[in-house]
Amino acid sequence: GENVEQHPSTLSVQEGDSAVIKCTYSDSASNYFPWYKQELGKRPQLIIDIRSNVGEKKDQRIAVTLNKTAKHFSLHITETQPEDSAVYFCAATTNTGNQFYFGTGTSLTVIP
Amino acid sequence: EPEVTQTPSHQVTQMGQEVILRCVPISNHLYFYWYRQILGQKVEFLVSFYNNEISEKSEIFDDQFSVERPDGSNFTLKIRSTKLEDSAMYFCASTLRLYEQYFGPGTRLTVT
Repeated sequence: GENVEQHPSTLSVQEGDSAVIKCTYSDSASNYFPWYKQELGKRPQLIIDIRSNVGEKKDQRIAVTLNKTAKHFSLHITETQPEDSAVYFCAATTNTGNQFYFGTGTSLTVIP
Repeated sequence: EPEVTQTPSHQVTQMGQEVILRCVPISNHLYFYWYRQILGQKVEFLVSFYNNEISEKSEIFDDQFSVERPDGSNFTLKIRSTKLEDSAMYFCASTLRLYEQYFGPGTRLTVT
């Protein structure tokens, strides 16, 4: 089955700096890659996603890049703010969409 | 904005007891999922459900687990004989189309 690895497990940045979180996957059939933000004690919330026919997607301060050849995708947050502090999870699934494989999470702390 | 809801928010049960976790997906959604998250760990896929049957299940989802959509609005997860290691946060998710999953707030299950 698919194996998703995520790095780093913890990340601290100064407010205003950029944060980058990286994930790799093993199954070349995976073609949809969402990113979720989970604040303490709350539900995971989809913040951005990318499909395998696209190399990059941007939504305001958040962007995701995908390298299908290398089987890795990354989340980029620019101009970080304290409210960006949370755990971020990447995930991957194939075009059946029936089973999602999650990374181990990155705890991001933005220091004011 | 419609949301996925889950009840109860916290369930405490004794080892060996049966529990039923309830979810009300967003009303026009067609695909339903259960995940679990052991404290501090990643989100793990349990099962997906479409058209009144299981689409996919993980190795965690053994004979002790079952799912049901009894009345067209609720989506339930039953654990027949709980073990200590079943203690976790259980998230329900739903989606209209494949991929863009919306998570419920979770049920924290504590097995004593």
